[in-house]
Amino acid sequence: DGGITQSPKYLFRKEGQNVTLSCEQNLNHDAMYWYRQDPGQGLRLIYYSQIVNDFQKGDIAEGYSVSREKKESFPLTVTSAQKNPTAFYLCASSIKQGPGANVLTFGAGSRLTVL
Amino acid sequence: AQSVTQLDSQVPVFEEAPVELRCNYSSSVSVYLFWYVQYPNQGLQLLLKYLSGSTLVKGINGFEAEFNKSQTSFHLRKPSVHISDTAEYFCAVSPPAGNNRKLIWGLGTSLAVNP
Repeated sequence: DGGITQSPKYLFRKEGQNVTLSCEQNLNHDAMYWYRQDPGQGLRLIYYSQIVNDFQKGDIAEGYSVSREKKESFPLTVTSAQKNPTAFYLCASSIKQGPGANVLTFGAGSRLTVL
Repeated sequence: AQSVTQLDSQVPVFEEAPVELRCNYSSSVSVYLFWYVQYPNQGLQLLLKYLSGSTLVKGINGFEAEFNKSQTSFHLRKPSVHISDTAEYFCAVSPPAGNNRKLIWGLGTSLAVNP
């Protein structure tokens, strides 16, 4: 079955460490997104990419970095510059054009806790 | 600028009772409207969407929503809820033409179905 796989499901990090969250999709979607979810704050866009080797900052990109070397992969690195990284991280994808372009498919999420 | 307001942060309801989750939006242009559901510690899943056409939209799991342009609302309804409907529900709005960078999310409504 096609879908999005995020790993790890749970991750613990010490302060000052960088961590990378994996996101892989086999839906053949061009566009991919990273969201951060905090209780009571809804979803906030971190980065998005509409094509390989290109990505744009979202609303809260500071302290994060991404790469898009392959169509199916969009890893997110949470750097030590991110002051409050404890959160639930969601990866999503969509087609780039047409009526279905507004519909996001989500992964199951990665919960990052800073100790 | 567009915005989305989910009028209730929490909605408790008894099993087999009807439920309505309210969503209002503001926009100076036409919009696409969405409801997503998030079960505990999982990603989001599309419940239903309004792009154009009939204002009454039917989705998965027996949910439906009605687009009311004059009241700028897109309330979600189900005539009889089950325990398994306990989840977080998110309303979202985007401009047409498939630009998910502009997807605006509500803060969510937590639906708790009690036996």
